[in-house]
Amino acid sequence: DQQVKQNSPSLSVQEGRISILNCDYTNSMFDYFLWYKKYPAEGPTFLISISSIKDKNEDGRFTVFLNKSAKHLSLHIVPSQPGDSAVYFCVAAIQGAQKLVFGQGTRLTINP
Amino acid sequence: DAGVTQSPTHLIKTRGQQVTLRCSPKSGHDTVSWYQQALGQGPQFIFQYYEEEERQRGNFPDRFSGHQFPNYSSELNVNALLLGDSALYLCASSTPGRLDEKLFFGSGTQLSVL
Repeated sequence: DQQVKQNSPSLSVQEGRISILNCDYTNSMFDYFLWYKKYPAEGPTFLISISSIKDKNEDGRFTVFLNKSAKHLSLHIVPSQPGDSAVYFCVAAIQGAQKLVFGQGTRLTINP
Repeated sequence: DAGVTQSPTHLIKTRGQQVTLRCSPKSGHDTVSWYQQALGQGPQFIFQYYEEEERQRGNFPDRFSGHQFPNYSSELNVNALLLGDSALYLCASSTPGRLDEKLFFGSGTQLSVL
């Protein structure tokens, strides 16, 4: 059972425009959410996180939005840059638990 | 400051064989988690080690076992390999406390089972 779903396997965006990556989850026990970015031949790296007590968290060009009632979160990247081209994983966790639950990933390509 | 290091980077085995993968955590970290990433999928939690003990385990069979050494490094062992065990195996390290935040991942070991 896929508890974290990223329904778009890939996304292509023009440089300078906004990139929006979406994620849905099914387990209402999740109370902490993260986005990780992965370049080829490298391990995933932490990008941004949000606790379930918030509905928005911003860090520079990156903003994560959480809609708990819809069990939906999204990552906005503005403006998009070529270096943002990577696979983005939506991740959920239960605080105090030891494991992260990953979505399938979305491959983002930023075109010059 | 060395990050998380894993060895080997690539490995080819045949069905039924056994394999051992190794991980050294980031300096200052004492907790190691292992994840399996199949092609086209996100990483899946295998287990986590802290103070040389397995703290939590994901939905993986007993063929998957691990160990943590006093220097915090860790091994992942897989017995009786199946074709479906072919995947990228990722090691992640962290410090106690917010264990669900800012895991630092290694580059992984790509295992191919023929």
